[in-house]
Amino acid sequence: DVKVTQSSRYLVKRTGEKVFLECVQDMDHENMFWYRQDPGLGLRLIYFSYDVKMKEKGDIPEGYSVSREKKERFSLILESASTNQTSMYLCASRTQGVLAKNIQYFGAGTRLSVL
Amino acid sequence: GQQLNQSPQSMFIQEGEDVSMNCTSSSIFNTWLWYKQDPGEGPVLLIALYKAGELTSNGRLTAQFGITRKDSFLNISASIPSDVGIYFCAGPLNTGRRALTFGSGTRLQVQP
Repeated sequence: DVKVTQSSRYLVKRTGEKVFLECVQDMDHENMFWYRQDPGLGLRLIYFSYDVKMKEKGDIPEGYSVSREKKERFSLILESASTNQTSMYLCASRTQGVLAKNIQYFGAGTRLSVL
Repeated sequence: GQQLNQSPQSMFIQEGEDVSMNCTSSSIFNTWLWYKQDPGEGPVLLIALYKAGELTSNGRLTAQFGITRKDSFLNISASIPSDVGIYFCAGPLNTGRRALTFGSGTRLQVQP
């Protein structure tokens, strides 16, 4: 079974803090993704990475950065948290090539509240 | 930006009823995926569709890949309380990007 683990289920931070969300997958997947989920908006892509040290912006990258120093780990960084970043954050991973069949596997999510 | 229109936004039904939801797009998709998200959890894949016209079942769930390749449908028969959750359609845009585009979700509540 594919396992995608997000380090925290719930986080409460203060405005202006630097926040790190961690995600680890155990299937040697090349591709990893960070989404945020807000009611009525579905899942929106923040950043993704297709290899170690490689990254691409998604649809809503502003206010976020990412780090992928090892293949199994993909970190989302909020440089200076703001209240409009209060949301559910979902990490996903996927293998490369046609065998992947476009299927992504998700972690359980981190619910972040910024006060 | 988001290019999938999913409806309905929410449904409140009685146990035993059948449910239908759909997703439409202005763009052509070569894959349609249906995910379910239980409360407090991440989305889990239910059904994957890869060919126009394809009809695929997974237990009480049946999904179809529309002939135009711009829509997909998910049906749940004889609903039970554990069907509660948010159902998302998703697909890869033909832009070469590896990420998925998601619909806004259908929130299903089942009254026992």
